[in-house]
Amino acid sequence: EAQVTQNPRYLITVTGKKLTVTCSQNMNHEYMSWYRQDPGLGLRQIYYSMNVEVTDKGDVPEGYKVSRKEKRNFPLILESPSPNQTSLYFCASSFGTGDGYTFGSGTRLTVV
Amino acid sequence: AQSVTQLGSHVSVSEGALVLLRCNYSSSVPPYLFWYVQYPNQGLQLLLKYTSAATLVKGINGFEAEFKKSETSFHLTKPSAHMSDAAEYFCAVSGSYSSASKIIFGSGTRLSIRP
Repeated sequence: EAQVTQNPRYLITVTGKKLTVTCSQNMNHEYMSWYRQDPGLGLRQIYYSMNVEVTDKGDVPEGYKVSRKEKRNFPLILESPSPNQTSLYFCASSFGTGDGYTFGSGTRLTVV
Repeated sequence: AQSVTQLGSHVSVSEGALVLLRCNYSSSVPPYLFWYVQYPNQGLQLLLKYTSAATLVKGINGFEAEFKKSETSFHLTKPSAHMSDAAEYFCAVSGSYSSASKIIFGSGTRLSIRP
């Protein structure tokens, strides 16, 4: 089944403790992206990647890192999480943005 | 640069009534336009997309949207609402097909269905 897989689905952590949210797609998509969703704000792009080893900042990149060492994987790294990063996070992938995205099921992160 | 505005953060209709969710876009180039649906505790699912072919686009679950360049609109409609349509709906715009382009999302419209 063609899909984008994120892990974990739910995560509660403490301020300052480094964490990684994994994302993997099995559709051979070149383009991958991370969004965060907050009430009233819709989806805001954090980082995106156009191919292996090619990444760029989205609209809200502060406090996040990404890497794209393999085409299928695009992990999101929070080096020192803070409470304002409590949010619902989505990974998505596409052949090209004119096709639209396939989304993962989301990761609900709470930083206390 | 692209942007998208969804009018109405919450829309409520009766079961069987017409559903109309409004979306206006801004784009300096011919846009690609999308509607996504998000059910509770799930990711976003593509409902339909406009990619400069027919201006009336049909999607899944009986939804359709019409691209109106003169009005810079891409409103989503469904003739008869069903209880299962209750969800959040997002309009999105992209400036080109290329993988270097971004997809910009609106802030979403929550659709409620009254019995």
